[in-house]
Amino acid sequence: GAVVSQHPSRVICKSGTSVKIECRSLDFQATTMFWYRQFPKQSLMLMATSNEGSKATYEQGVEKDKFLINHASLTLSTLTVTSAHPEDSSFYICSAPDFLGQETQYFGPGTRLLVL
Amino acid sequence: GQQLNQSPQSMFIQEGEDVSMNCTSSSIFNTWLWYKQDPGEGPVLLIALYKAGELTSNGRLTAQFGITRKDSFLNISASIPSDVGIYFCAQGGGADGLTFGKGTHLIIQP
Repeated sequence: GAVVSQHPSRVICKSGTSVKIECRSLDFQATTMFWYRQFPKQSLMLMATSNEGSKATYEQGVEKDKFLINHASLTLSTLTVTSAHPEDSSFYICSAPDFLGQETQYFGPGTRLLVL
Repeated sequence: GQQLNQSPQSMFIQEGEDVSMNCTSSSIFNTWLWYKQDPGEGPVLLIALYKAGELTSNGRLTAQFGITRKDSFLNISASIPSDVGIYFCAQGGGADGLTFGKGTHLIIQP
């Protein structure tokens, strides 16, 4: 199946700093990628849709100025958590749709963010 | 918005037992997806269903797309220790991303 990678796998930062998370499709091109957030013992919640060559679209309640998304190329999307606070600590996971269609999604391994 | 009701929330079973979990949706969609997530990792696609009534197997896993298009079940036969994890149903796709159920935590008792 398609392979999606994320970097870093885990990051610890101080409150007020910004953190960038990368999501790459390794063997296919993805004009669309998705970012999810997962709190402990909870399900994945869609945060935003990253669109190559255009602005990201955000789900209701997700602050676009806090979670900056840049889809720089057909294989790379980045999520920057700006001015991070402890409540931003979570597991962030990206996905890219099946290159045969968009019904199935392949997920990255996730990035664990801990804000102190 | 769309809601997915997944049950049971958790299951405690003995190795070798069969497992069944299901999801129901408040809306009709064209796809049911089943994922498994191990601790600290991203979800891995197990089975994708695209047609009402479709029954698909992947090794010891079997999933069906309900004929009403509002429900799906996942069965695991003869469970083994590596089946432990969280199983999610999901719907959506296209330009809208996925909506996930709350997950079923599968725990295998020694």
